[in-house]
Amino acid sequence: AQSVTQLDSHVSVSEGTPVLLRCNYSSSYSPSLFWYVQHPNKGLQLLLKYTSAATLVKGINGFEAEFKKSETSFHLTKPSAHMSDAAEYFCVVTYSGAGSYQLTFGKGTKLSVIP
Amino acid sequence: EPEVTQTPSHQVTQMGQEVILRCVPISNHLYFYWYRQILGQKVEFLVSFYNNEISEKSEIFDDQFSVERPDGSNFTLKIRSTKLEDSAMYFCASSLAGGPYEQYFGPGTRLTVT
Repeated sequence: AQSVTQLDSHVSVSEGTPVLLRCNYSSSYSPSLFWYVQHPNKGLQLLLKYTSAATLVKGINGFEAEFKKSETSFHLTKPSAHMSDAAEYFCVVTYSGAGSYQLTFGKGTKLSVIP
Repeated sequence: EPEVTQTPSHQVTQMGQEVILRCVPISNHLYFYWYRQILGQKVEFLVSFYNNEISEKSEIFDDQFSVERPDGSNFTLKIRSTKLEDSAMYFCASSLAGGPYEQYFGPGTRLTVT
């Protein structure tokens, strides 16, 4: 079975400081990994995805994530937080080649940005 | 930019009633999904749908649930006889292809069963 663990339920940063949201996944087949963001009362928006190409993935709004197979991690980072980044972030996994297209979500990390 | 839409945004129903949640996927997408999120819990996969049939479903998706693509644009989730524990946010998603492709989500329908 596939799973992801988001290590922090809540992260608080000051505006202009770096953001680190941590995610570990369980490995069965070759994973595809995604980060989605959910702003209050909005749908889930795709930030970035990893599908076995470059291990450092760049997404929208200055976010990036690095796939580290040895650590089974896919942490999300941003050099400088903006107030508009305050939202809930979900690490998501699916497995190619397993015949299953369902996404498996982590519990989410709520990011607060302090002015 | 094309987006997935869902109606209604909020549905309140009484236990035992039938509800239909509606979604309009992105027009050229071929795969459609329903997920739900009970308050305070993870987003959970319910069902995927391709070529007018269910391609995969989770244990949650029992006989009380059904999905349909009644025309070329809508994708619906029906709960036949709602229970209190069906209260959740229901998300529809669509993707251009199956496999490790990004799924695009709608804003969700909040279902409250009283």
